[in-house]
Order: sequence, then C-alpha cells, then structure tokens
Amino acid sequence: DVKVTQSSRYLVKRTGEKVFLECVQDMDHENMFWYRQDPGLGLRLIYFSYDVKMKEKGDIPEGYSVSREKKERFSLILESASTNQTSMYLCASSLAGTSRDQQFFGPGTRLTVL
Amino acid sequence: AQKITQTQPGMFVQEKEAVTLDCTYDTSDPSYGLFWYKQPSSGEMIFLIYQGSYDQQNATEGRYSLNFQKARKSANLVISASQLGDSAMYFCAMRGKIQGAQKLVFGQGTRLTINP
Repeated sequence: DVKVTQSSRYLVKRTGEKVFLECVQDMDHENMFWYRQDPGLGLRLIYFSYDVKMKEKGDIPEGYSVSREKKERFSLILESASTNQTSMYLCASSLAGTSRDQQFFGPGTRLTVL
Repeated sequence: AQKITQTQPGMFVQEKEAVTLDCTYDTSDPSYGLFWYKQPSSGEMIFLIYQGSYDQQNATEGRYSLNFQKARKSANLVISASQLGDSAMYFCAMRGKIQGAQKLVFGQGTRLTINP
C-alpha cells in the first residue's frame, strides 16, 4: 500500500521558533510537494522538488525553505515561525510522469504558532 | 496562468440523492489533467477521479462520474446515490506543466453535507 507519512499530526510552536516538518514517501516518487491549506483558499503550493537536492518555489514560498537530501524525504522549514503560518500543512508525492499521474497525500500537520 | 474555481462553498443534500459539485478552470495549455479529491474531517486527501484533456469519454469511478465540458471549461463531479460517508470537503484540481514540472492547482473546495 502506497504511503506518505508526516512527522506530526498536531504541532504547537512559539513565534520565532525554527520549525521542521518532515515528510517521507515509500513509493520511489521523483516529485514531492508541500502545500498549506487555509479555509476558503484551498491548497496552495509552497515548494516542490522534482529530484534529490532540487527545489522550486511554488506560489507562496515566503517564510519557508525546504530540504531534500534523500529521494524519500522532503522537509519543510519555517526559519522563524510567525502567527500567520498557523495552518494545515500537507505533503504530497507523485511520479515524474504525465499529467495523468495523481499526487498521493500525507495525513497533514496542523501547526499552531502562538 | 492556470486557475480553478469552485463556486459552491457548501452544499446540503439528502441521503440517496445525486449531487453535482461544480468546477470551472482556466488554462491556455492544450494538455492538462483534472482531478477531484475528497478530504474527510480526518484530513487526508483521497483521490476520486481523473479526466485528461484529450480523453474522449467522461471519466467514471463507481458512484463518481465527471461531467467534462471542454468548450465550457468545466469539470463537474457527480456523485450518484449519496451516502452519509460522502460528507467531506471536495477539491477540484488541475495539473499541467508549470516551471518544467507537473504541478497541481487547487480550487477553494466545496463542503458537502449529506443529511439522513
């Protein structure tokens, strides 16, 4: 069974803290993605990676960075967390194929920044 | 730029009725894919159905079908014989090549509530 896992389901951090969100997939997928989900806005792409050590900015990269040192792992980093980064964060992975290939999602991390 | 619009923030339907969730899209790319995902209250995104821009037939997957009208740029999801377990958020998404990679653009979502 295909699987994308995220390190935490719920996380509470303080303003200014450095936050790491980890995502691991076991499907040998080339592509990995980080989204944030906010009510009324749907899912918005923060960063994506199409290969190890490769990364591209998505639609809302400000305040975030990413790391992909191994194919199966994609980390999202909040260098200095702020209250407006309180959100649901979803990781996804997909094959580097055609537009037909679906993205598989992790269960999400609900982050609260106080 | 690619864009997905879901105009129904919420819908309420009686159990066993059919329901249509609207989705319109905008793209200048002739090759694209359209997806529908379901997100229950537990938070995980569940893939439901896919339609390719060059597919001749409307996609169907069990109780789910996609009413694809290319000229109108719409890709509505139809759920037949709705069940209580269908209550969830539903997202329409479009995939196309952006910045050299296949990326998904999501709509705002529709919250579907099935009443007994």
